[in-house]
Formats: sequence, C-alpha cells, structure tokens
Amino acid sequence: ILNVEQSPQSLHVQEGDSTNFTCSFPSSNFYALHWYRWETAKSPEALFVMTLNGDEKKKGRISATLNTKEGYSYLYIKGSQPEDSATYLCAFLRISNNDMRFGAGTRLTVKP
Amino acid sequence: GAVVSQHPSRVICKSGTSVKIECRSLDFQATTMFWYRQFPKQSLMLMATSNEGSKATYEQGVEKDKFLINHASLTLSTLTVTSAHPEDSSFYICSATPTGTGRYTFGSGTRLTVV
Repeated sequence: ILNVEQSPQSLHVQEGDSTNFTCSFPSSNFYALHWYRWETAKSPEALFVMTLNGDEKKKGRISATLNTKEGYSYLYIKGSQPEDSATYLCAFLRISNNDMRFGAGTRLTVKP
Repeated sequence: GAVVSQHPSRVICKSGTSVKIECRSLDFQATTMFWYRQFPKQSLMLMATSNEGSKATYEQGVEKDKFLINHASLTLSTLTVTSAHPEDSSFYICSATPTGTGRYTFGSGTRLTVV
C-alpha cells in the first residue's frame, strides 16, 4: 500500500498571510508528483506536475518544491487571498504505473 | 483545455437499486479513464482503471460485479453501482489523461447517497 500523507489536514489563515503545507510520499520508484487545487463542486484543477528531484515550480503566488530522495513536497502560497480557499491535493505516480495515489488533502480557508 | 464532463453531480437512490455514472471526455480521446471513490475525510482512492474496448482493471478489494465499468468508446466511460447499499454512499470521481500532456483531467464528481 502506498501512503501519501498531507499535513496539516486543515488550515485557517488571514488574508495576506503566507502559508505552506506538506505532502510526503514513498521515495522508491518515483515517477511524478502532482499538485491539484480543488474547490467545492468543481473539478480538481492541476497546479503542478513535478518530476525531478530539486524541482521548483511557480504559478503566480503559488510555488512548490520537490525532494524525491526524502519523499516530500512543499506547496507555498504567498500573500493568501480569500479566493485561494480550497482543498489542495497532492498525488504520487510510480514508475510504470498509470494510476495516481492521492493524499487526503489540506483544506485551506483564507479569512478576509 | 481538456475537459471531462461527469453526470450526475448528485444522486439519491433507494437501497437495492442501481445507479449509473457517466464520464465523457469532451475535447480529447481517452483510451483510459480512472475511477476514484472518496469517503469523508479520506483520500481519493482508485477503484478501477477503465480501458476502451477491453475489461476494466479493478483495485484489490473492489468488487467488479458490484461496480460495473463500461468503456465502449474513446470518449465515454460509465460506472454502474449495482444493488446499491447505504455503505456505497460516497463521492465518486473520474479522471483521464489527454495524450502527451502528463496531466490528469478530472470530472466534477458524483455524490451518491443510498437510502
């Protein structure tokens, strides 16, 4: 069984705060790590696909880092806005396997 | 961008009846689609991989006779929950990967409640 763990489970921050959360995954047979942003009643939206150890990706105020050797990825949000409120999912892909294993998500609430 | 349309978004059914959930890739062909289930406060769990024109591959512990998957065309996969029971109440969501993108596109999910 592949365990993908995300922490914290939920997070409440004030508008303007910067925040980060963690995804940990098995370090063996790594192929890719995906981050998704999932708003209620909508489809999960792909944020990043990360494949190389040391990868850093950025999209506006959101960025992510990847450490495949120790099996973790961080997602950072700079200057959180209420519209950033969503559940952030990470998902792990193994080599030679098409299916993704998801974490349970971090539910972020940004208060105005 | 690639879109996967999933219907219905919510369904309530009586115990013992069957429910069909559809996933359509609207602007790309999906030879493979994935079906996930999520119980409250838990991860999305892969149930099965749906393959166009062939049998689905089920994950360990998922009953293939209960969760019937049909992937008869390159744009449509269906999941039928047969003889549903209250314990089947869950959130079901599908995904597919447009060729060459490396990204997974999701439907918007189906909330099934069996009463």
